[in-house]
Amino acid sequence: GDSVTQMEGPVTLSEEAFLTINCTYTATGYPSLFWYVQYPGEGLQLLLKATKADDKGSNKGFEATYRKETTSFHLEKGSVQVSDSAVYFCALSEGQTGFQKLVFGTGTRLLVSP
Amino acid sequence: DAGITQSPRHKVTETGTPVTLRCHQTENHRYMYWYRQDPGHGLRLIHYSYGVKDTDKGEVSDGYSVSRSKTEDFLLTLESATSSQTSVYFCAISEGSSGGGTQYFGPGTRLTVL
Repeated sequence: GDSVTQMEGPVTLSEEAFLTINCTYTATGYPSLFWYVQYPGEGLQLLLKATKADDKGSNKGFEATYRKETTSFHLEKGSVQVSDSAVYFCALSEGQTGFQKLVFGTGTRLLVSP
Repeated sequence: DAGITQSPRHKVTETGTPVTLRCHQTENHRYMYWYRQDPGHGLRLIHYSYGVKDTDKGEVSDGYSVSRSKTEDFLLTLESATSSQTSVYFCAISEGSSGGGTQYFGPGTRLTVL
C-alpha cells in the first residue's frame, strides 16, 4: 500500500538556520502531496501542497517540490524562526475526486532556539 | 478556517464506559473523517463519511462506530473504551462535494482511558 517516510526527529536548529526535512513516498498512482504543521496543543494546519510532478508548493517561507523521479517532497526553509517550532507531517492522497484517503508520515519535530 | 469544532476537547474516562466525541462543521462539506494520532504512527484513519447516513471504515476501525444523521455533525463512539484507545482524536473535512482536494482539521479531542 501507499506509504510516507519522514526523517526522524527532533531536528534542532538555531534561529536563521536553513531547514530541510526529508520526505519520500511510495504510491501506485499519481498522488497529491502535502505538508501539514502542528503547533503545540493545536490541530493540523495545511502548510503547502503540490498536485503533480515538478509542482512547487510554498507558504510562509517554506517550500517543497514534487519530485516524481526520486519520489520525494522535501520541506525547506531558508531561515527558520523560533515560532516555526512545531511538528511537521508529510502526507499523500490518491485521487482528486471521491473519497480521499490521506496517508501520513510519522511526523518530524522541529525545535528552533534563539 | 474551515469552521470545524470538536467536543469535548478533553475527556478522562474509565475502561468499559461508552464515549461519544462530536465533530461539527458549519460549511456543508460532504466528506468528513475521524483520525487518531499516536506517537510513532502519525495520523491514522478510523472512519469516514461521504454523506448523511453514509459511512465506511478506515484502517483502525475496530472498537469504534460512527454516525452522521445531519450534514454538519459526525459522531465517533467508543462503545466500551479501552486503555489502547487513549489518544488524540481529530476530525477533518474535505472541500468540494467530490471529496477531492485538501483536508482541513479540527482542534482535536484528547481522550484518556484509565
